[in-house]
Amino acid sequence: DAEITQSPRHKITETGRQVTLACHQTWNHNNMFWYRQDLGHGLRLIHYSYGVQDTNKGEVSDGYSVSRSNTEDLPLTLESAASSQTSVYFCASSESAESNTEAFFGQGTRLTVV
Amino acid sequence: GQNIDQPTEMTATEGAIVQINCTYQTSGFNGLFWYQQHAGEAPTFLSYNVLDGLEEKGRFSSFLSRSKGYSYLLLKELQMKDSASYLCAGLDSNYQLIWGAGTKLIIKP
Repeated sequence: DAEITQSPRHKITETGRQVTLACHQTWNHNNMFWYRQDLGHGLRLIHYSYGVQDTNKGEVSDGYSVSRSNTEDLPLTLESAASSQTSVYFCASSESAESNTEAFFGQGTRLTVV
Repeated sequence: GQNIDQPTEMTATEGAIVQINCTYQTSGFNGLFWYQQHAGEAPTFLSYNVLDGLEEKGRFSSFLSRSKGYSYLLLKELQMKDSASYLCAGLDSNYQLIWGAGTKLIIKP
């Protein structure tokens, strides 16, 4: 069965360190997204991609970067981790750009920056 | 600006019916989604509406009024496993999802 997986599921890191969260999907979807979810807020879009070599900034992109070298993977990098980046991170994928198709989510990565 | 409003928390009784409301303001409109999210888990798709009216899917139904910028999710015959957060999300003119903060539904026996 097709799926979308994130790793690690939990991560504790120190302020100032670079951290990369992995996201891998086997749906063969063009669209991939990274969100963060914090108490009292909806899912907030960090970065997204509509295909290989395409990346775009979302509403909360400062301090984060992504790259899309193949269809399956969209790793999220925190350049220099800050305590404000402590959150639960979700990766999602969907079929195509101009579409109403549902998004499929990974299980999430809980990141703590100390 | 773009905004999705939904109640923070609701409580209902097992076997009853509950309606979770959502109002939206988006730049353009390409539909409205409802997702379910159990604690500690990923959101999962429940429904999508782009035309006015009610869409029924088993115990769950979703309603949309585009003129009022309003949607609701109706859950019938509530079960304990329906205890979860319900996320409303609008799809704007750029096909970007704008998410509400979610409604935590507590089911009591």
